[in-house]
Amino acid sequence: DVKVTQSSRYLVKRTGEKVFLECVQDMDHENMFWYRQDPGLGLRLIYFSYDVKMKEKGDIPEGYSVSREKKERFSLILESASTNQTSMYLCASSFASGSYEQYFGPGTRLTVT
Amino acid sequence: QKEVEQDPGPLSVPEGAIVSLNCTYSNSAFQYFMWYRQYSRKGPELLMYTYSSGNKEDGRFTAQVDKSSKYISLFIRDSQPSDSATYLCATGNTGGFKTIFGAGTRLFVKA
Repeated sequence: DVKVTQSSRYLVKRTGEKVFLECVQDMDHENMFWYRQDPGLGLRLIYFSYDVKMKEKGDIPEGYSVSREKKERFSLILESASTNQTSMYLCASSFASGSYEQYFGPGTRLTVT
Repeated sequence: QKEVEQDPGPLSVPEGAIVSLNCTYSNSAFQYFMWYRQYSRKGPELLMYTYSSGNKEDGRFTAQVDKSSKYISLFIRDSQPSDSATYLCATGNTGGFKTIFGAGTRLFVKA
C-alpha cells in the first residue's frame, strides 16, 4: 500500500513564524502535491513537483514556498505565517505524468495565532 | 464562477437509501473525472474514476458523467452508516497535475 505521511497532525504557530510542513511518500512516486483544504472552498493546489528539485506553482502559491531535495520528501514552507494561513494542509503523491490517482496523507491542521 | 461546483450538504439519509451526489464543471476540456471519499480526520482516497461519458459501476457505487451538460454524479445503492463521509468530485486535463476538486458533500447515513 502507498503510504504518505505528514510530520504533524496538529500545529499551532504564532504570526510571523517560519513554518515547515514535511511530507514523505514510500512508493517512489514522481509527483508530489501540497493542497490546503478550507470549508466551502475544497482543496486548492499550492505547489506541485514532478521531479527532484522541480516545482511548479499551483493556484494559490502566495506566501508559500516548497523544497524537494529527495524524491520521497516534499516540504512546504510558510516564510512568515499569517492568520489567513490557518487551514488543513494535505500532501499527496501520484505515480507519474498522466497518473490521475493521487494518494493523500492524513493532513496537518495548522493554526496561526 | 468556480470551475467545479458541488453542493456542500450536509445530506442525511436512512440506511438502505439510494444516495445521489452531484457536481457541475465549467471547462469542456476536462477529460477525466473522479470521486474521492474523505472520512473525518483522514485524507481523501480515490473511490472511482472515469474518462468518458456514461456510467461506471463498482459494487454499490456508480459514477455517471454527462459531458454534454458538464454534469458528474455518484450514486450509492443500499447506503450504509460506514458510507458516512465527505465526497469530493474532481476533474482535470491530461497530465494529472492540475486536478480541480469540488468543495465536497458531507453525507450522513443513519442506522
